This record gives sequence, structure tokens and C-alpha cells, in this order.
Amino acid sequence: DAGITQSPRHKVTETGTPVTLRCHQTENHRYMYWYRQDPGHGLRLIHYSYGVKDTDKGEVSDGYSVSRSKTEDFLLTLESATSSQTSVYFCAISSGGNTGELFFGEGSRLTVL
Amino acid sequence: GENVEQHPSTLSVQEGDSAVIKCTYSDSASNYFPWYKQELGKRPQLIIDIRSNVGEKKDQRIAVTLNKTAKHFSLHITETQPEDSAVYFCAAGFQKLVFGTGTRLLVSP
Repeated sequence: DAGITQSPRHKVTETGTPVTLRCHQTENHRYMYWYRQDPGHGLRLIHYSYGVKDTDKGEVSDGYSVSRSKTEDFLLTLESATSSQTSVYFCAISSGGNTGELFFGEGSRLTVL
Repeated sequence: GENVEQHPSTLSVQEGDSAVIKCTYSDSASNYFPWYKQELGKRPQLIIDIRSNVGEKKDQRIAVTLNKTAKHFSLHITETQPEDSAVYFCAAGFQKLVFGTGTRLLVSP
């Protein structure tokens, strides 16, 4: 498996609290992604990064922000969590750019009460 | 933007049968079409992909076909086995990948 880890793996929080999910890679890949997975919706892109400090929005970016200050770390922040953000979040990395193989992390299950 | 539709949402077959999952896409600029398999509780993993300059690609028991004119592509699994049971996602894109909603495949012994 590609060297990609997510933390935390599970989190329960309350509506209105900030939450940060971390994705860490050891592959030195340029591209990193955050997806959310919900029943009936498949995998939806939240944000992605194509280099340090270079990020762009995906399909469902509202309510989320990201930061990438180092090649190996990509942070996803929910400034004020809502129940609609209860989901499984997957980080992914790619060496081949936006149309290359994605290597996914193990996922982070977030529950917002 | 790109829109990907995937059918069926669930598919049940007997071991040894073939399974076909179909996807359509909307953006004619899309040039990359991967398929991911996700076993229960695990992360998605790439099983096969095809690019727009190729019409068909095979890898052992799995194959993908692409019809760019009709904007659809399909995953074919032959001689299905119980370990093929999983959720399969198609995706399409040019600069960003958009995923289909998934097909839950159940292979019964």
C-alpha cells in the first residue's frame, strides 16, 4: 500500500465545533485529494492540491477549507461542523496528476451530533 | 461540469456468471476512465483504467470497454468468484475525476 495515513480515524463532535482531519503521505506525490463518501452519492471531491500552497475546489467544497504547507501533509478543516457533514472522509494521493491512479487512505469516519 | 451515471446500483450473480456494470458520462473532453473496487470497510482500490485513445482493455477476468461516441463505458467481470463481491465505482474526467454512485456486486457461491 502507498504510504498514506489519515488521522483521526474516528471522531464524534458536536454541531458548530471546528474539526481538522489530517492526511500524511510518505511518497512525495504532488497531488493530494479529499473526498467524502456517502450512501447513494459515491465519492465526491471536496478539495485537492497540486503542490505546496496550491489548492483548488472540488464538487462539494462549501463548508470546508484546506491547507498544504508541506508536501507530505494535507489538512481538511470544517470551520463549524454541521450534521450534513457526517460522512466518511478519504484522502488520496496521485503521482499521475488529476487523471492518474489514486491511492486512498483508510478513511476517517466523522459523526456530527 | 462532468456528470457520471452508473447502473445498476446493485447486481447479484451466481459464482461463475459474468457481471457487467455500465457508466455514462456527459463531458466529451473526459479522457480518463478508471474503475475502483471497494470491499466492505476498506479503501477504494484501482482495478483497471482506460484512456480515450483505446477502445478496450483486459486484465485477466476483468475488461473495460469505452465508446466515446456514445459517451459510455462498461466493466465486464467474467467467471465471477465470491471474492469479487464489493462495491465498484466508475469515474471519468479530464482535469478532475468525477465518480459514479457505485454498484454493489454480490456473488453467491
